[in-house]
Amino acid sequence: NAGVTQTPKFQVLKTGQSMTLQCAQDMNHEYMSWYRQDPGMGLRLIHYSVGAGITDQGEVPNGYNVSRSTTEDFPLRLLSAAPSQTSVYFCASSSGSASGIYEQYFGPGTRLTVT
Amino acid sequence: GNSVTQMEGPVTLSEEAFLTINCTYTATGYPSLFWYVQYPGEGLQLLLKATKADDKGSNKGFEATYRKETTSFHLEKGSVQVSDSAVYFCALSDYTSYGKLTFGQGTILTVHP
Repeated sequence: NAGVTQTPKFQVLKTGQSMTLQCAQDMNHEYMSWYRQDPGMGLRLIHYSVGAGITDQGEVPNGYNVSRSTTEDFPLRLLSAAPSQTSVYFCASSSGSASGIYEQYFGPGTRLTVT
Repeated sequence: GNSVTQMEGPVTLSEEAFLTINCTYTATGYPSLFWYVQYPGEGLQLLLKATKADDKGSNKGFEATYRKETTSFHLEKGSVQVSDSAVYFCALSDYTSYGKLTFGQGTILTVHP
């Protein structure tokens, strides 16, 4: 199993450009999430999905869109990049649990710089 | 809402020193607690977890005990190595959040030979 994969690894955008960060998992996990990591702030949840066709906003959703057409893929779209979106982005997935305990698996991250 | 507070960093230690990284939380209900580690240039890996009060999670010589009375989940290791240099994140999730994690701000640990 590849686990959670993310592409690209690095990206530089100009202000106003749009792009899509790709995330895929091969563990048949229902739950997928996008986080951004900024110095001194830990990781903050952008969007998440509890299954194909179902998404919802996290703590910092503005400027980002998501969709989930398959169980495996959960792309994150930046609509019009801004310097404040310079960050490291992590995708994560987890399986459901009758006990309510969810262990998340993280991808390697995408380092995005917006100039 | 849920929140996690970690001790301020960075933390610098000599090899074989004792490590404690403090973590306290606020949550409704009975959350699960986690420590994640991020090595330089890599993603996050689960280090250990505890799912109910008084549980002790352990892995690679690291330990943390779920203390409901003090709402804490402090990370400890008796003798750190240079290879333990990384960023450590405390996090929680509860069953109502479908695994969504609330993270602390992270603590940078540097271990010198």
